[in-house]
Amino acid sequence: AQSVSQHNHHVILSEAASLELGCNYSYGGTVNLFWYVQYPGQHLQLLLKYFSGDPLVKGIKGFEAEFIKSKFSFNLRKPSVQWSDTAEYFCAVKLFAGQNFVFGPGTRLSVLP
Amino acid sequence: SAVISQKPSRDICQRGTSLTIQCQVDSQVTMMFWYRQQPGQSLTLIATANQGSEATYESGFVIDKFPISRPNLTFSTLTVSNMSPEDSSIYLCSVEDVGVRETQYFGPGTRLLVL
Repeated sequence: AQSVSQHNHHVILSEAASLELGCNYSYGGTVNLFWYVQYPGQHLQLLLKYFSGDPLVKGIKGFEAEFIKSKFSFNLRKPSVQWSDTAEYFCAVKLFAGQNFVFGPGTRLSVLP
Repeated sequence: SAVISQKPSRDICQRGTSLTIQCQVDSQVTMMFWYRQQPGQSLTLIATANQGSEATYESGFVIDKFPISRPNLTFSTLTVSNMSPEDSSIYLCSVEDVGVRETQYFGPGTRLLVL
């Protein structure tokens, strides 16, 4: 069965530190890849997505992610985090032409002021 | 992107009762989805609800426990039946936006506590 793993359960950073959150998936076919963010008390929001083309995709709020097909990875990065980035981050995979998303377990990011 | 609202936003229910959660979208969408997010965990798909057809349930979820209605292209309901404390969770509605294919957008969720 297809699965999505995220490397870290909880990441704690100071403001201005660089961020990289890992995401790996198990499916070998064509996939669409997503990162969602859930700020405290708010609903899930789409950060960015990859369908095809340039494997480095840019999203909202200065986030970017790189798709490395050979590693089945889609890591999320931000060069300098802010306190307002404190949230839960979910990686999700959708099989090409499939209906359903598979979500990773999530990574909680705490940014210290 | 589609704007999604859910009612109620939260509820506290007694064991053995049922709760119906409503999901309203501001535009017509073909595919709607219901997820569960248990405390401290990720999202698990309960079922896919397409207008005009029976909902498709994922493994571990059954229609008797989670009946779903999809009467039109902007509305769906999920009922959590005969509740137990294990059903305490956040229930989320999402849609695949016709304007942004292959991407799901989520409602604010319904936080349910079963005593």
